[in-house]
Amino acid sequence: DTGVSQNPRHKITKRGQNVTFRCDPISEHNRLYWYRQTLGQGPEFLTYFQNEAQLEKSRLLSDRFSAERPKGSFSTLEIQRTEQGDSAMYLCASSLFTGELFFGEGSRLTVL
Amino acid sequence: AQRVTQPEKLLSVFKGAPVELKCNYSYSGSPELFWYVQYSRQRLQLLLRHISRESIKGFTADLNKGETSFHLKKPFAQEEDSAMYYCALQNTGNQFYFGTGTSLTVIP
Repeated sequence: DTGVSQNPRHKITKRGQNVTFRCDPISEHNRLYWYRQTLGQGPEFLTYFQNEAQLEKSRLLSDRFSAERPKGSFSTLEIQRTEQGDSAMYLCASSLFTGELFFGEGSRLTVL
Repeated sequence: AQRVTQPEKLLSVFKGAPVELKCNYSYSGSPELFWYVQYSRQRLQLLLRHISRESIKGFTADLNKGETSFHLKKPFAQEEDSAMYYCALQNTGNQFYFGTGTSLTVIP
């Protein structure tokens, strides 16, 4: 296990298209987080899973965003009807109960 | 609501000089505070957490509940310390909130 893996690393799409990102956490980690990061900003919390349960979702997250974690393993983040404002780096992180977050390398989205 | 503030976006120091990266937080509960670091072309990683009270790579940070601060300090900066540093707060709901980050440059 080489750590948290995210795919694709880069995605360029046209406005209005749907995109999906995948995150494979460290295998024994039960918590999984999605963050969004734009230039000059820190990671912004989007949503959080404990096992397969989505426990929290940011109020900043519009209805166009949905995340799943079936079977408590990998997770997907889907953005429907993308807008130019969705262009950002999408980060996934996983953790055990210790609290330390282990981050993936991120998936960069560019919406034209 | 919780908030993490890092007032300095950019910080430059000379090699061997002391460095302090500021972090202030607001949270009504009892937070856990962390410093994360991102070196060039690497992923974000944990540098240290207040609960462990250890020194990592010569860095220390003390939680000051009175001033709601968690400043990161190192007595003698090294060139390899050049990186982006993020202060983070974990609330009782296990959510993590990050500051906007400070880009540290250590000048040779």
